[in-house]
Amino acid sequence: QSVLTQPPSASGTPGQRVTVSCSGSNSNIGINTVTWYQQLPGTAPKLLIYTNDQRPSGVPDRFSGSKSGTSASLAISGLQSEDEADYYCAAWDDSLNGWVFGGGTKLTVL
Amino acid sequence: EVQLVESGGGLVRPGGSLRLSCAASGFTFSTYSMNWVRQAPGKGLEWVSTISRWSTYIYHADSVKGRFTVSRDNAKNSLYLQMNSLRAEDTAVYYCSRDRSLGDPSAFDYWGQGTLVTVSS
Repeated sequence: QSVLTQPPSASGTPGQRVTVSCSGSNSNIGINTVTWYQQLPGTAPKLLIYTNDQRPSGVPDRFSGSKSGTSASLAISGLQSEDEADYYCAAWDDSLNGWVFGGGTKLTVL
Repeated sequence: EVQLVESGGGLVRPGGSLRLSCAASGFTFSTYSMNWVRQAPGKGLEWVSTISRWSTYIYHADSVKGRFTVSRDNAKNSLYLQMNSLRAEDTAVYYCSRDRSLGDPSAFDYWGQGTLVTVSS
């Protein structure tokens, strides 16, 4: 059981916009920033979004993040086949004194 | 180019020990906090440990507290994870990662390729 809650799966067709939610609590998302990682099959995770809505250089602007209260969302617009991957949210938890991850969302491009 | 290369994984019996290493290059290692994150086969990501730049702050997940110890040698640009009293549930790919922030925990901006630890009799 992960501290952050994500839907186990999501799907969309090419060109579509999909969102992935991440729900936490007052000790993590409520007071700290949210990070999103993309993990392509068989590879190490890659930083996708940091500080709730910032993209590292090289990440397409099709990817965007937002946060409100104790929840966060990752949006992917103009869905492409190469976006098929697992997506994880994460945040520092002040009560646990450590990082907490969501269980991951497997995105399928139909 | 930032590179993180893990080593030291392998097959170990339950109750045994293993020491993982992560060799860093392409950046000033002593400037950044470092982390270990693991992923059991077919499962999600699980944070294991964080160590600050000068080892002033060290944090471990409850699941490994008292059994695992993170350390670093800034002179050797290396991060370590000493794993004792290993259990079957510690079986996972262990990733070394860098925190992008020079201050408070922010995000893991670089990851190694991972090293597989298998705990089995």
